[in-house]
Amino acid sequence: SAVISQKPSRDICQRGTSLTIQCQVDSQVTMMFWYRQQPGQSLTLIATANQGSEATYESGFVIDKFPISRPNLTFSTLTVSNMSPEDSSIYLCSVYRAVGTEAFFGQGTRLTVV
Amino acid sequence: AQSVTQLDSQVPVFEEAPVELRCNYSSSVSVYLFWYVQYPNQGLQLLLKYLSGSTLVKGINGFEAEFNKSQTSFHLRKPSVHISDTAEYFCAVSLTGANNLFFGTGTRLTVIP
Repeated sequence: SAVISQKPSRDICQRGTSLTIQCQVDSQVTMMFWYRQQPGQSLTLIATANQGSEATYESGFVIDKFPISRPNLTFSTLTVSNMSPEDSSIYLCSVYRAVGTEAFFGQGTRLTVV
Repeated sequence: AQSVTQLDSQVPVFEEAPVELRCNYSSSVSVYLFWYVQYPNQGLQLLLKYLSGSTLVKGINGFEAEFNKSQTSFHLRKPSVHISDTAEYFCAVSLTGANNLFFGTGTRLTVIP
């Protein structure tokens, strides 16, 4: 298994500001994933974060809006920039041990933009 | 492209009754299939997974699912639900050899006392 800690667990932010979400894993993993869960909707992959290289973004997500850092094999951050109310969502980080195995998820960060 | 359909957005069921949560997927290649549960204000937890082998998969908390390749389905079942099963359930697929998960829209299971 993998233990994932996400911070903050929730936040209320003013529009136009930025929030950085941290994800710490209890062991080294090659890839970390960031998902968004909008109210009443399913999870959507934002990007894949590999250590030592730039993150790979999914269609509809761009680095300027969601910059990601991956300084080492146990830590990653996702920043939600220039926030608007439409960014109000739960953001989750996820890791795999190996291809085809289960994904482990953090408890998520519930973001409300006012 | 892969997609996952969970036809039922909400399923109310009485305590100790059986339940089936439906999941259908579309993919032109082989996939892995997963069911995750999300309890209120918590992250996602794996219930069960199908990678290969027996099409009937047993998971935690008494849940099981059956992979039906011809119908491209992976329905989740439990013969007798408890109040504690009240949660959001997500079906997900990934391509074999890949890590990206594609999620369905979720089914909110509410167990009624």
